[in-house]
Amino acid sequence: EAGVTQFPSHSVIEKGQTVTLRCDPISGHDNLYWYRRVMGKEIKFLLHFVKESKQDESGMPNNRFLAERTGGTYSTLKVQPAELEDSGVYFCASSQGGTGINYGYTFGSGTRLTVV
Amino acid sequence: AQSVTQLGSHVSVSEGALVLLRCNYSSSVPPYLFWYVQYPNQGLQLLLKYTSAATLVKGINGFEAEFKKSETSFHLTKPSAHMSDAAEYFCAVSDPRGSQGNLIFGKGTKLSVKP
Repeated sequence: EAGVTQFPSHSVIEKGQTVTLRCDPISGHDNLYWYRRVMGKEIKFLLHFVKESKQDESGMPNNRFLAERTGGTYSTLKVQPAELEDSGVYFCASSQGGTGINYGYTFGSGTRLTVV
Repeated sequence: AQSVTQLGSHVSVSEGALVLLRCNYSSSVPPYLFWYVQYPNQGLQLLLKYTSAATLVKGINGFEAEFKKSETSFHLTKPSAHMSDAAEYFCAVSDPRGSQGNLIFGKGTKLSVKP
């Protein structure tokens, strides 16, 4: 079974530019989560999809971030325009059924975003 | 609000020595608790989880953790460290009443293993 795939693995962009991160969850996993770790800080929840619907987007930092999951398969996270404080590692995770707690999440390797 | 505190951002042990990584949580209800590990250039991997069954939880790679409600702790241990255990370890908590399933993480502890 393929794991959770994220790309790109690294991205360096200039302040003001747009970046789109992609996450391919494990096939059949209805739940998809985005998390972010800013350097030196905790990994923080951004949002949760159940299939194509946003179940919880309470962790999204501001309206420069837009997440989509068309068709309930892969998801994209767009940052537009990017700011310096958006730098960090963005993790995606997926789980099957329920809320994933009893099944456990599978995390991707993350996308390291650097805004210069 | 729930929170997780991991004592020590860096821990260094000698190969063969006991590994003890500390995690304390604050929660108004008995939570679900997790330990994840991140090896260099890899994603987060689940080591073990506590979901209100046995308080002593055994995980992969010889790790285990004990849920102590009276101490609000979930410390991670391994009797004998291997060089391959060098990684960053994250403790996380979730509210079992919640429907979202999102996790709250600690800041992580980097484990170094000396030969």
